[in-house]
Formats: sequence, C-alpha cells, structure tokens
Amino acid sequence: DSGVTQTPKHLITATGQRVTLRCSPRSGDLSVYWYQQSLDQGLQFLIQYYNGEERAKGNILERFSAQQFPDLHSELNLSSLELGDSALYFCASGRDVNQPQHFGDGTRLSIL
Amino acid sequence: EDQVTQSPEALRLQEGESSSLNCSYTVSGLRGLFWYRQDPGKGPEFLFTLYSAGEEKEKERLKATLTKKESFLHITAPKPEDSATYLCAVRGMDSNYQLIWGAGTKLIIKP
Repeated sequence: DSGVTQTPKHLITATGQRVTLRCSPRSGDLSVYWYQQSLDQGLQFLIQYYNGEERAKGNILERFSAQQFPDLHSELNLSSLELGDSALYFCASGRDVNQPQHFGDGTRLSIL
Repeated sequence: EDQVTQSPEALRLQEGESSSLNCSYTVSGLRGLFWYRQDPGKGPEFLFTLYSAGEEKEKERLKATLTKKESFLHITAPKPEDSATYLCAVRGMDSNYQLIWGAGTKLIIKP
C-alpha cells in the first residue's frame, strides 16, 4: 500500500460528459502529480501541484483541469469526454521533486 | 532533449535464470534515476532511487546500478512473482520538475 488513495476505482460514462477524479496524497507529501496511461502505452505526465500551486504542466489537454486544495487532496476534471480519453489515470505524490513519487492504483475511465 | 530508452521491450526467462534490464538515458545534469515495478491494472510501485554514478541499491532479488549513461536492473534467480513491467524514469537539471519515463520492459518469468 503506497498510501496514495484514488477514487473512484472505475468510472464509466458517455462521450461529451464531465467527470472528476480524486486523489489523497501520502501523509506529509506536498506534491501531487497526475498521469494518463492508455492501453499498452507509457505514462504520460499531465500536471503537477505543489502545496496548492501548479508547478509543471505536461501533455494536458485544454479540456482537462486540476487543482490541489488546502488539505492537499487533488482533483482532476475531465470535460467534453471523447472515446480516446479512455485510460487509466494515476495520481502520485512526493515529498519534493528529487524524492520518489508514490502512485495510487488509479482510476480506470471508460468512455462509451 | 532529455530521453530514456529501456531495453529489451520484453524478456522471457525461466524461473531461476538471472538477467539484466537496461535503462539508457540522456539528460543534462542527472538529479535522480528511479526504478518502478508495475503490475497489470495497478499503479507503479517504487523500487529504487539512484543519484550518482557508481551507486548501487539492492532489494531481495533485485539490484540496481548506475553509470553516467545507463542503469541496470539485475534480477537474480527470479521467481514467477517477479513478472511485471519494470519502468525507469529520470529527472534532469532542466526537466522542469518532471520525470522523463522509459516505455518499460515487460518481464515474464516462467515456472
């Protein structure tokens, strides 16, 4: 158990809809990272937050947004969903950028 | 441009047959190299961090080593439960807080 909690574990929805994925980091970790992993693909970095502020952006679509709240949990919002958004979405947390990231077990998003 | 290449893409071994996985990297000013293990449908599980050439870390049947251009993950006498995808990631001086990830090596250990 990494200590990173992601909810929900599975999400099934339709094209055009909007969903919110939630992540609770490990106790004491200030950084939260979001990744997308499509079937048999590598990890694609989306965005990083540190203590409530956006720190780095990767290949995140304009339809996607995220935030980190004062209690350090984070939410990833995906809107106007398309079939290609079907993937595993992982959250990771870490103490600082040179320390390892610890991953949750992900949210599996299926778009029908 | 920072880059990470893992080889081979897939590796099939018999139980007890030792081998090594390779992670070659190009990065300006290495700030850390990370090894992870990922089981299907699960999040990557952290294994090791290496920071400087010559450093080695061990955990059970796994040993990670680092040179200035590559890292090896040595697997000694593997068991079927070692089957997983092994991921390598690096952070460089100019990577803007991001990790650069390799595509992974899928390891299958046959009993």
